[in-house]
Formats: sequence, structure tokens, C-alpha cells
Amino acid sequence: QKEVEQNSGPLSVPEGAIASLNCTYSDRVSQSFFWYRQYSGKSPELIMSIYSNGDKEDGRFTAQLNKASQYVSLLIRDSQPSDSATYLCAVILMDSNYQLIWGAGTKLIIKP
Amino acid sequence: DAGVTQSPTHLIKTRGQQVTLRCSPKSGHDTVSWYQQALGQGPQFIFQYYEEEERQRGNFPDRFSGHQFPNYSSELNVNALLLGDSALYLCASSLPGKINYGYTFGSGTRLTVV
Repeated sequence: QKEVEQNSGPLSVPEGAIASLNCTYSDRVSQSFFWYRQYSGKSPELIMSIYSNGDKEDGRFTAQLNKASQYVSLLIRDSQPSDSATYLCAVILMDSNYQLIWGAGTKLIIKP
Repeated sequence: DAGVTQSPTHLIKTRGQQVTLRCSPKSGHDTVSWYQQALGQGPQFIFQYYEEEERQRGNFPDRFSGHQFPNYSSELNVNALLLGDSALYLCASSLPGKINYGYTFGSGTRLTVV
């Protein structure tokens, strides 16, 4: 079983709508959770981090964490064409000595 | 404040050759991690350096080796290149104990093995 799983997509969302990206992780004690955005041919860029159950909002982005259900999600409100990218979920596991475990990413397409 | 810098940006090598990639961490960061990202995949952890020592290593063969210098910069060396080593190689820096703030990535080196 992969440790971090994401739907590869592509996920197509109309401009102005809410994009919802999901990530599940394996049954291990997990510490910290990150969402990175990666444009084609570029390096990942950290957009959100979350450590506690619940929601964390930053501008148009909201990260949601549910440790009991082992999922973390990212909501993007008022989606813009510039949000079109691959979104990578990454998890730090307690027993991994701070190694980041990555999902394969979800490709998001915002249609004008 | 300089971010993470990597060189070169692109590289083409022949199968069997050796390659060295370079990374300078973000100012104030002293931990460097290297990742390999194949097309359509998430980054795969190669190894991490702290205090000039390899602190942990992912599932990569011994052909992949590294080094960290006293100024915290780092090199990734790959020997006996295979076609499958073609990928984007990413360097990320962080502060020890501050990993909860996330890694800062360089722009990467695109390696093509022909």
C-alpha cells in the first residue's frame, strides 16, 4: 500500500468555482502535512501546511485535516486559470526522521 | 535573501557517464535534501545531509552519492548513468527542528541520459 495517495486527475474545474483536492495516507502516526503546487517543468512551491485536525485558511486556500480518517484536503475558492498546476500532497511521518513522503500529485485544470 | 540555487539547470549525459549536480541552500538553512522526480511522479527522496554527513537515505543504489560542504552547499553525484536516471533532480533546504515549516526547493536540474 502506498503511503500517500492522490487521485492523479486531471481534475477540471470551471473558473470561479471551488476546486477540491484530496489526499489519504497510510496508517502510521503522522506529524505534519503539506500541500505543494508545481507548474509544469518547475519545482514544487509550498502553499499550505497543517498540523492539527480541522481547517486552516490562507487567502483562497483552505487545508482540511482529519487524522481519524487519515485524509487531508485542499480547497481552492474562486479558482483562476493561474491555479492550473499539479498539486502534491506531502506528509512527515513521526518515525521517518523528518523525511517527507510524497503523493504522485493531482493535475488541476481551471477552464476559463 | 537568496533562495535555494541549483546548477546546472539542464544537462545531457551519455549512458555510463558520471554527473555532479550542485545545490546552495537558502540563507540560514543548514540541512539539504535531494529528490528525484520522474515525469508524472511525485518526488522520491534520495538522501539528506546535515553537518556534512548523510543523515538518512532513501531507496537508491550506491551509484548515487553526495557530499555537504562546511558552507552547507551540497553535491549529488551519480555514477554509471542509466537511461532511467533521466529526471528532474530537486534540492530542498530546511532548518533542523523547523521541518514543520516545510522545505524550500530549488528550481531543479533536468538530467537527460541518452
